[in-house]
This record gives sequence, structure tokens and C-alpha cells, in this order.
Amino acid sequence: QSVLTQPPSVSAAPGQKVTISCSGRSSNIENNYVSWYQHLPGTAPKLLIYDNEKRPSGIPDRFSGSKSGTSATLGITGLQTGDEADYYCGTWDSSLSAYVFGTGTKVTVL
Amino acid sequence: QVQLVESGGGVVPPGTSLRLSCAASGFTFSSYGMHWVRQAPGKGLEWVALISYDGSDKDYADSVRGRFTISRDNSRSTLYVQMNSLRAEDTAVYYCARKRGGTVSLDYWGRGTLVTVSS
Repeated sequence: QSVLTQPPSVSAAPGQKVTISCSGRSSNIENNYVSWYQHLPGTAPKLLIYDNEKRPSGIPDRFSGSKSGTSATLGITGLQTGDEADYYCGTWDSSLSAYVFGTGTKVTVL
Repeated sequence: QVQLVESGGGVVPPGTSLRLSCAASGFTFSSYGMHWVRQAPGKGLEWVALISYDGSDKDYADSVRGRFTISRDNSRSTLYVQMNSLRAEDTAVYYCARKRGGTVSLDYWGRGTLVTVSS
């Protein structure tokens, strides 16, 4: 049972924008950096965002991250069919002394 | 380039043990912390354990603490997880991932190895 809550699914047409929320608490999101991961079944997950809003090299600026209080958000603009995947937020939980992932969100391109 | 390759998965009965390995290449393994993460069939990602660059610090998820042991051999650039007293709910694809320097995020992942616990 994850301590970070995400919507099960979001969808939009190609070229449009989607946002994915990640809700936590003071022991995790509010006081630690948030990361976002993209996972296509059968492949290695990929880091999209770290330290709330930073993108690793090679990740297009269509992907963006933000954080406010106990929530974080991933935005994807210019949606492409290749963006269809599962997306997870993740952060350290200081009370659990453990890394925690969100429940995951499936992105569908209509 | 960074490569992480997991091995050691298979089908095992409940109550038995299994050791997974993760061979790392393309970076200075001894300078990075490493994670294990798993994904049960039809479920989301679940963090399992973290080990510091030198093996001196280890953290575990409550679901595996006392049964799993994470370790590393920096001379072999290899990460391990020893899994004891396996249960049906440990059935999952197990991934190793590198801890990004300066953060706890996971910046490179392997493709995983499947562990099935079944009689």
C-alpha cells in the first residue's frame, strides 16, 4: 500500500497536455525532493524528473515537474503516442526511512 | 554507457531462498549507492532496499526487513540481494537501479529479473 497517491489514469489527444498529481505528507513530499519515472511494460523504468523539477540530460522539455507543500505534479505537453506508459512519482519518506513510490498513473493518448 | 543487468531469478517454492545479482558497467560502481525495486504482476513499483556506495549503510522496506539482505562487491561491480523465507507475495520482477549522486532518485535501471514463488 503506497503512501503517495496518484490518479489511476489520464488521457488526452496527441499534441495536448496532461498533468499527473502525486499527493503525500510532510514526512515525504513536503520535506524531500520528488522524482518522476516513466515505465513501459517489459522495459527498464526511466528517470524523467529529479529534485522536483530538474530533467536529466536527454529528457525533452515537454516533461516538467513542480512541487507545492505535500503535493507534486508532472506535466507532459505536446503529447505523443510514444508517451503512452505508466508514470510514478517517488521520494524519500523520513518517517519510514524508506523510498516510496506513488500508486502509478497510466497515460493514454487518444 | 551505464548498464545494469540483473540475473538469478526463477521459480522457487515458498520458504526457500534465492540470491539475485546485478552486474554494473559503464560507470564507477564504487562511487554510487544502489537500489533494488520490484513490481508484482499487475501492480506498481515497490522499493525494496538501498545500499550506500561503500556498503556501510543499508535501508529496507518493512515488507522485506529481516528476510532480505542487500550487499555489494565493489571489486566485481556487482550488487546482490539475498532473499530468504520467500513468500508468494514476493513474486515480482526485481530491478536494480543506480542512486543518482547527491539525491536518492534512481537514475539508471536494469531490465529486471523475474522471481516466482510458487509450490
